[in-house]
Amino acid sequence: QITLKESGPTLVKPTQTLTLTCTFSGFSLSTTGVGVGWIRQPPGKALEWLALIYWDDDKSYSPSLKTRLTITRDTSKNQVVLTMTNMDPVDTATYYCAHTIYGSGSYDYWGQGTLVTVSS
Amino acid sequence: DIQMTQSPSSLSASVGDRVTITCRASQSISSYLNWYQQNPGKAPKLLIYAASSLQSGVPSRFSGSGSGTDFTLIISSLQPEDFATYYCQQSYSSPGTFGQGTKLEIK
Repeated sequence: QITLKESGPTLVKPTQTLTLTCTFSGFSLSTTGVGVGWIRQPPGKALEWLALIYWDDDKSYSPSLKTRLTITRDTSKNQVVLTMTNMDPVDTATYYCAHTIYGSGSYDYWGQGTLVTVSS
Repeated sequence: DIQMTQSPSSLSASVGDRVTITCRASQSISSYLNWYQQNPGKAPKLLIYAASSLQSGVPSRFSGSGSGTDFTLIISSLQPEDFATYYCQQSYSSPGTFGQGTKLEIK
């Protein structure tokens, strides 16, 4: 059974760096073809894809946010970490991590999401 | 980035109705199109992948079709649990952009 869960601060101040951790079970990020992505959703708005990391450590980022994002993995802990620098109130959103398979691009298992509010 | 445009943005329908939601890509994405259902306060749920493949466990009243730039999600007979917001997502190229969503409401 695949599960994912996001964790991190619920409130950050403008200009601070956000660090979110996705802890998963039921699969390994060392297994060929496996990936974990991050997607966010501002309140009342649409989904926005942020970043993706694969089993081979290949990474991709949203072009509009690339300079602010870093995605890493810790296969021993079954975790993926997303950092986003220089947070702004417009970054207030629910942040999700999700499982994908290389070549599919669809996200078949999602975490419950974590709401991050950016406010001074 | 490939832009994904859904129509309509919102839709009112009744239980038992047949509903069609469309998604258009700004360039050809072959069949790299996925559909998700999202209920309020919940994570999205994958319904359809690769344009027309039904995700395991999803009721057969959901179906998808299309290729290239134009895609369709059909719900053949609406059930009460189907009133939700639906998103398309292209997975042809990074970033895997989503449509703006279609909110399906009870008439």
